[in-house]
Amino acid sequence: EPEVTQTPSHQVTQMGQEVILRCVPISNHLYFYWYRQILGQKVEFLVSFYNNEISEKSEIFDDQFSVERPDGSNFTLKIRSTKLEDSAMYFCATNGQGFNEQYFGPGTRLTVT
Amino acid sequence: KQEVTQIPAALSVPEGENLVLNCSFTDSAIYNLQWFRQDPGKGLTSLLLIQSSQREQTSGRLNASLDKSSGRSTLYIAASQPGDSATYLCAVSDSNYQLIWGAGTKLIIKP
Repeated sequence: EPEVTQTPSHQVTQMGQEVILRCVPISNHLYFYWYRQILGQKVEFLVSFYNNEISEKSEIFDDQFSVERPDGSNFTLKIRSTKLEDSAMYFCATNGQGFNEQYFGPGTRLTVT
Repeated sequence: KQEVTQIPAALSVPEGENLVLNCSFTDSAIYNLQWFRQDPGKGLTSLLLIQSSQREQTSGRLNASLDKSSGRSTLYIAASQPGDSATYLCAVSDSNYQLIWGAGTKLIIKP
């Protein structure tokens, strides 16, 4: 069964460093999303991406964040200058149509020290 | 602004019991509702998806219902097992397809 994969599974970085989180969507899916979950808190929407551009973004997704699909397969989330409060689990999700079930990757745990 | 609430926040029941988890949302203009399971420190496992035009969906021992007009969904788990212990999350999809999440119900099934 096709699945969404994410790398790395765990990333530890120092405050101020740039990180790139990677997601490989299910191959025929067209809509891509990033969510995050700070430990003990709700899952929060960050951004949605369709047709090579951002469809929607939340207030969390400020200028420090960016997304791209550089090679037509990987979908990446970049945080330019990490802060302590960026420590969270980051989940990638994809679906074939926007209103269909979203399929989630296993997540990347980001720890900023 | 859409708000999703899950009650109770935690639930502990003996093995074998049937149980109901509740999810409510403030804006009935949703595309769909998904129920997920999350084990401690782990990812999100999709359990059931109900489209806005549907009333319920079933998968094995799980049955999810949706009453869009009243802003409510329930997840019914039949004959609970210790392996069902996890946090159950509901999320609604709005017109922009983003999922808006509840805080979850932590379920413990006692052997």
